[in-house]
Amino acid sequence: EVQLVESGGGLVQPGGSLRLSCAASGFTFGNFWMGWVRQAPGKGLEWVANINQDESAKHYVDSVKGRFTISRDNAKNSLYLQINNLRDEDTAVYSCATDSYHHLEHWGQGTLVTVSS
Amino acid sequence: QAGPTQPRSVSGSPGQSVTISCTGTSSDVGGYNYVSWYQQHPGKAPKVMIYDVSKRPSGVPDRFSGSKSGNTASLTISGLQAEDEADYYCYSYAGSCYVFGSGTKVTVL
Repeated sequence: EVQLVESGGGLVQPGGSLRLSCAASGFTFGNFWMGWVRQAPGKGLEWVANINQDESAKHYVDSVKGRFTISRDNAKNSLYLQINNLRDEDTAVYSCATDSYHHLEHWGQGTLVTVSS
Repeated sequence: QAGPTQPRSVSGSPGQSVTISCTGTSSDVGGYNYVSWYQQHPGKAPKVMIYDVSKRPSGVPDRFSGSKSGNTASLTISGLQAEDEADYYCYSYAGSCYVFGSGTKVTVL
């Protein structure tokens, strides 16, 4: 069974940083593109970033470019999202997902990031 | 980049059919056959219902179908059931990035 478990969320002040993690199991992690999606409270889904199998390709939504960095460790079956210079509008549940040929097949439950002073 | 537009809500009685539209541009929906649809129940993770415009993953009922014409993709739910009440989002490749639609709440009357 495919499992994706996010961690690392929390309450952070504007301008602060967090590192989100996604632990994967039940599939060959290194064979898949992976992505991050976020959902602000009561709002819709927003694609954030994705990364290919060997980290040679990374893409980001314009609003996070230069502040967020996606990475992975295939030996640890883990995906990461380093988020810096956090803004109020970054408050959301961040979920990781398998990026299977342009659709998101398996999803985690997400980790909540709250940006507030 | 702004995402495709969906109706805020649609509703139908059990057994009826409802169709959700997803109107984008030639840079996303209209430019690629990589439109997928996600169902999200409150407090739950999204679930893919349709991918590549019209393909249905294993385990998804054949009541769910997808199509596309020009810059607009559509999800049709036939034989509406109570458990279909949820939020639905389209998702499209947009050339090295992706965009979600604005989301549609489906209500079963």
